[in-house]
Amino acid sequence: GDSVTQMEGPVTLSEEAFLTINCTYTATGYPSLFWYVQYPGEGLQLLLKATKADDKGSNKGFEATYRKETTSFHLEKGSVQVSDSAVYFCALHSGAGSYQLTFGKGTKLSVIP
Amino acid sequence: GAGVSQSPSNKVTEKGKDVELRCDPISGHTALYWYRQSLGQGLEFLIYFQGNSAPDKSGLPSDRFSAERTGGSVSTLTIQRTQQEDSAVYLCASSLGRYQTGGANVLTFGAGSRLTVL
Repeated sequence: GDSVTQMEGPVTLSEEAFLTINCTYTATGYPSLFWYVQYPGEGLQLLLKATKADDKGSNKGFEATYRKETTSFHLEKGSVQVSDSAVYFCALHSGAGSYQLTFGKGTKLSVIP
Repeated sequence: GAGVSQSPSNKVTEKGKDVELRCDPISGHTALYWYRQSLGQGLEFLIYFQGNSAPDKSGLPSDRFSAERTGGSVSTLTIQRTQQEDSAVYLCASSLGRYQTGGANVLTFGAGSRLTVL
């Protein structure tokens, strides 16, 4: 079945540091890939997405590239801010049958001034 | 509505009691999902509704869990005879589902209902 594996946290970085959160997946067919973010006390919200190989999703300075050859969708940001402190979830939709998304376990990021 | 609304935001109950959690999806979204978020376990899919089709119940952990969606809109997740391991945040999401065009199926989540079973 479909699965998503992302690096375990928590991750603590200083402001302006470079961020990478690794995500790899197993899926049938050609899935769509997502990063969702959950700020403290809030629901999940879509951060970025990519629907086919080599697509790059980007939003709020975050980027992730759909790599079919390595089945990966790593999240990166060149310079994190305190306001980026949140839990980040990698997810996929395989596009077959049910329209549910399969999520990773989440990575908690804390950015300190 | 403008977003996905869930109620109650917090629920504390005693072991063995039944609870009902409500979700009001975005108007026009035909797909509705329930997920469970437990500490350290990520998001666990529970159930998915698409329009008038039979729901996908493959994620419900036991027969104590059930959900219905009335009139293709509001949904209620019911947990009977609650157990301590049911303590979690229950998240509802909605989307255009199979009617999504031009790309990925994007889910919009509510803020969740935090359930604590004593």
